[in-house]
Amino acid sequence: QQQVKQSPQSLIVQKGGISIINCAYENTAFDYFPWYQQFPGKGPALLIAIRPDVSEKKEGRFTISFNKSAKQFSLHIMDSQPGDSATYFCAASRTGFQKLVFGTGTRLLVSP
Amino acid sequence: GAVVSQHPSRVICKSGTSVKIECRSLDFQATTMFWYRQFPKQSLMLMATSNEGSKATYEQGVEKDKFLINHASLTLSTLTVTSAHPEDSSFYICSSPRTGLGYGYTFGSGTRLTVV
Repeated sequence: QQQVKQSPQSLIVQKGGISIINCAYENTAFDYFPWYQQFPGKGPALLIAIRPDVSEKKEGRFTISFNKSAKQFSLHIMDSQPGDSATYFCAASRTGFQKLVFGTGTRLLVSP
Repeated sequence: GAVVSQHPSRVICKSGTSVKIECRSLDFQATTMFWYRQFPKQSLMLMATSNEGSKATYEQGVEKDKFLINHASLTLSTLTVTSAHPEDSSFYICSSPRTGLGYGYTFGSGTRLTVV
C-alpha cells in the first residue's frame, strides 16, 4: 500500500524528443504527487507537483498527467535537452506533511 | 526561500568512529525533518522522522542506536552515525516540509559518507 511503482528504469531520448516516465500507486490516501530531478552527488530538486483535484499540470517543458481512477501519474518532458539527463523520481505523500514515498527512479539520458 | 543547508557535503572516516551530519533550516522553522539514505543507483529510503523536541521515529530495520538523531531546535537537526562501518557508506539526505511558500518539501544537498 505504501509503494510507488515507477517505470521505465532507464530511458534514452533524442534531443528534442519527448521523455515520458510513469508511476503508479496503491494508497488512495495519497494526495500529493511530486516529481524530483537528481543529479549525481546532489539532493533531489522539485520539478513539478500535482494534487488529485486536477488531471494535468504544466510548468514550462514539464507536464504531469494524473489519472485518479487508474491511480497513475506520469511526467512528460517536452523538447528534451542533454541538460535534462539525470535521475527522476516520482513520489507520493498523504496530507499533513507526512513522509514521502519515492518511486525507484528513472535514469534519463538525452542524446545530442 | 525555504532552504535546508546540509553539512558536510563529503566525509571520509575510519571504521569505528562516529560522524555527525547537520541540517539547518535557514529561513524557516523546521518542525519536522526526514532523514533518507540513498545507495548508488537506488532510490531514497526513509530512515527516520524527527520532530523538534521529541524522540525520532525510526523506520523498520533502522538501528536507532547506530543512527542517532537529534532535533533540539526548530532550525537544526543532526544525524550521528555511530561506530561507522564500511557498509554505512552511503549518501545521506535530509528533508523538511516547506511552510509558508506553498505545500512541499525542501531537501538538503546531501552528504556522501565513506567509511574506510
